[in-house]
Amino acid sequence: DQQVKQNSPSLSVQEGRISILNCDYTNSMFDYFLWYKKYPAEGPTFLISISSIKDKNEDGRFTVFLNKSAKHLSLHIVPSQPGDSAVYFCAASARSGGGADGLTFGKGTHLIIQP
Amino acid sequence: SAVISQKPSRDICQRGTSLTIQCQVDSQVTMMFWYRQQPGQSLTLIATANQGSEATYESGFVIDKFPISRPNLTFSTLTVSNMSPEDSSIYLCSVDGWGYEQYFGPGTRLTVT
Repeated sequence: DQQVKQNSPSLSVQEGRISILNCDYTNSMFDYFLWYKKYPAEGPTFLISISSIKDKNEDGRFTVFLNKSAKHLSLHIVPSQPGDSAVYFCAASARSGGGADGLTFGKGTHLIIQP
Repeated sequence: SAVISQKPSRDICQRGTSLTIQCQVDSQVTMMFWYRQQPGQSLTLIATANQGSEATYESGFVIDKFPISRPNLTFSTLTVSNMSPEDSSIYLCSVDGWGYEQYFGPGTRLTVT
């Protein structure tokens, strides 16, 4: 069963407006969340992350919000630019012993920025 | 972030054969990970490779099918054995970053006919 869900396979947004990508998770052990961006024929590129002890993290045009009680996170991109057109993956990790663990990914949302 | 390369970038193989995918990192890293992305699906972790020890496989993946080597801190290989069309996927390696993020290679696109 999918522990990380991205229910919107695609999203179309006008250039300059806000893009909001959503992600839900079911595993209460997840305590670290990440967003990746992927262009065709390339590997995923790390964008931004958030620890479960925070509810917001901001990096330039990208902001991630975490609602632990709802097991929901979202990525906001403001303003959206044509180069933002890509597939965005939400990922989660249940860190153990402070070491690196594998990530659990959602299926991705294809963001299309319209000129 | 580390620079990661993978070879081959793509391949078309016949069923029943095996393919070894190489992953090279430009710096020493503790952990390396192998993922698979089947068409239209999310990335799924196959195994974690720590230098000097046996790889740790996720549920549904076994060493006989996906043997992994990790001879040093900058290199790893994943072999897809006795391939079937269901093994057609993108295979990606990744390494851990300074925090808990991971950095990915460009992937190997495998088609099994």
